[in-house]
Amino acid sequence: KAGVTQTPRYLIKTRGQQVTLSCSPISGHRSVSWYQQTPGQGLQFLFEYFSETQRNKGNFPGRFSGRQFSNSRSEMNVSTLELGDSALYLCASSLKGAFLAKNIQYFGAGTRLSVL
Amino acid sequence: AQTVTQSQPEMSVQEAETVTLSCTYDTSESDYYLFWYKQPPSRQMILVIRQEAYKQQNATENRFSVNFQKAAKSFSLKISDSQLGDAAMYFCAYRSERAGGFKTIFGAGTRLFVKA
Repeated sequence: KAGVTQTPRYLIKTRGQQVTLSCSPISGHRSVSWYQQTPGQGLQFLFEYFSETQRNKGNFPGRFSGRQFSNSRSEMNVSTLELGDSALYLCASSLKGAFLAKNIQYFGAGTRLSVL
Repeated sequence: AQTVTQSQPEMSVQEAETVTLSCTYDTSESDYYLFWYKQPPSRQMILVIRQEAYKQQNATENRFSVNFQKAAKSFSLKISDSQLGDAAMYFCAYRSERAGGFKTIFGAGTRLFVKA
C-alpha cells in the first residue's frame, strides 16, 4: 500500500505570492491533517479534514486555507506569503476520523517551503 | 488549553544502553491519547508507541515502552538496547476529540544521539 504522498517536496516562492501544497492520503483513509514545522515553533496543527469537511482548525491566520476532495486528497493554500511562512509542511492521514482519536496518523515526507 | 512539554532538547545514549525521554502534558480532559513519534533525518515522521488514557497498563512495543502516570500527567519513553538507527528527533503528542474533530498537540521534541 502506498504511503502518504506530498507534492512537491521542495518549493521556493517570494513574498506576496501564493502557494498550493498537495497531499494524497493512504488509500481508504478519510481523515487528513496538516501541520507546520519550524525550528522556532515546532510542530503546529493547521487543520483537519474529514469527508471534505474541515472539522478542526489551529491558530493560523486566514491566509492559510485548505480543502479536501471526494477522493480524500487534500490541498492547502497559503496566500500572500510572508518570510515567516518558510517551514516544513506535513500532512498526515488516518483511517477514520469521527470518535476514534486513537487512530494512528501516518505522515508524509513533507513539503519544504522557502519564502524569499 | 492543552500543552505538551518535553524538557530535554537533546539526549545522548551509548549503543546498547537504555535511555528515557521525558514528556509532561496539561489537560482538563479525561479521554485522550498519547503518542511518541520519531522523525529521523529523512524527516518522515513515524509512530513509535501509543497509550490510551483510560488504560492503566503501560504500552510496550519491542524495545520501546512508556511510563504513563496519569495523575502526574507524565508520559515518558524508555528505549532499551539503543541502536544507531534510533538516532532521531522524538516528539511526544497529545490527541483528543473536540468539536467533532481531532487536534494533535506536539511537544517541542527531543533530539536523541546514539554513540557507537
